[in-house]
Amino acid sequence: QKEVEQNSGPLSVPEGAIASLNCTYSDRGSQSFFWYRQYSGKSPELIMFIYSNGDKEDGRFTAQLNKASQYVSLLIRDSQPSDSATYLCAVNKNSGGYQKVTFGIGTKLQVIP
Amino acid sequence: DGGITQSPKYLFRKEGQNVTLSCEQNLNHDAMYWYRQDPGQGLRLIYYSQIVNDFQKGDIAEGYSVSREKKESFPLTVTSAQKNPTAFYLCASSIIAGHPAQPQHFGDGTRLSIL
Repeated sequence: QKEVEQNSGPLSVPEGAIASLNCTYSDRGSQSFFWYRQYSGKSPELIMFIYSNGDKEDGRFTAQLNKASQYVSLLIRDSQPSDSATYLCAVNKNSGGYQKVTFGIGTKLQVIP
Repeated sequence: DGGITQSPKYLFRKEGQNVTLSCEQNLNHDAMYWYRQDPGQGLRLIYYSQIVNDFQKGDIAEGYSVSREKKESFPLTVTSAQKNPTAFYLCASSIIAGHPAQPQHFGDGTRLSIL
């Protein structure tokens, strides 16, 4: 089982719809959770981070965390063609004093105009 | 503006050659990281450093070496022992704090290819 699992996609949604991106993780000791957006050929850009169970909203983005189910998701409301990118889920745990971050393979999102 | 600068943007390596990728940050971050990204794979950690003059191997350190002589700089050398170096190399940095962990921020990357 991979430490961080994401469906590679592509996930296609029409413009204006809600895009739902999902991520599961295997280590119950994981403490912090990050979502990065990566455009083709570019480096990852931090979108959101979440530490506590529940929802965290920032503009059109909502991160959801359920530690009991070991599941974290990212919702993008009113999806725009400019949201088309690969979304990386990253999970952090403290490992021997080092904050180890493990990345998923990313989900490719396509927003269709 | 604060940020992470990686250079060069593109790099070509000849057989048997060592090449060095530069990473400089002016964010005053203590921790710095090197990742490798291959198509269809997630980011894989090569090396990381939390303080000057100290660094640790990541998951795929073989064929790579690093140094951390200054807080701002964390260069990565891809040695001739790395037989499959073609990849997108990403440098990142972060604040070291307790809990919760602070996010990593990335440079623009260096794309390395074999000639």
